[in-house]
Amino acid sequence: KAGVTQTPRYLIKTRGQQVTLSCSPISGHRSVSWYQQTPGQGLQFLFEYFSETQRNKGNFPGRFSGRQFSNSRSEMNVSTLELGDSALYLCAVSGGWGEQFFGPGTRLTVL
Amino acid sequence: GDSVTQMEGPVTLSEEAFLTINCTYTATGYPSLFWYVQYPGEGLQLLLKATKADDKGSNKGFEATYRKETTSFHLEKGSVQVSDSAVYFCALDGYSGGGADGLTFGKGTHLIIQP
Repeated sequence: KAGVTQTPRYLIKTRGQQVTLSCSPISGHRSVSWYQQTPGQGLQFLFEYFSETQRNKGNFPGRFSGRQFSNSRSEMNVSTLELGDSALYLCAVSGGWGEQFFGPGTRLTVL
Repeated sequence: GDSVTQMEGPVTLSEEAFLTINCTYTATGYPSLFWYVQYPGEGLQLLLKATKADDKGSNKGFEATYRKETTSFHLEKGSVQVSDSAVYFCALDGYSGGGADGLTFGKGTHLIIQP
């Protein structure tokens, strides 16, 4: 069972600001994925990083970006925040059969 | 593209009742299938998985069988407890063994178990 730490757990921002969220896999997982969860749209795939390279990206505007460092830690950045960006942002690491193991998430509120 | 359909609920049952949450999917290829559970204020926990047709995943009394002919992966439990109250998500990985485009999730089913 993989462990994933996400910081911060809660964040409040105002429209137009930018935000950076962090994800740290406990063990040496090279693949890290990000998801957005909202009441209206449900769970949606944002992007996946593997060995510091973005391997796939979901259907989100360019305001959403990310990166991965050599120690597998990943950051997700959202610029020019909009009210609709309020969501739970989940980070996950991959298992051996396509499953993903999720962190507790960062709850972002945009005012 | 890939999609997952499940009843959204809420589904309300009495303790010790039998549970079924239906899940059907549309996918190309041979996806792996998963059930996740989310408790209030937490992330998603993998409940069970099946990676090929006719596989049965099981965990903590929950079971689901991968039915390719009906493209279904229904979740069942013989006797639910109050502690099973949570939101349950059915999901698929379109690329068995590695998620090239991430997991595709259903909308989630809110389960409420009354004592």
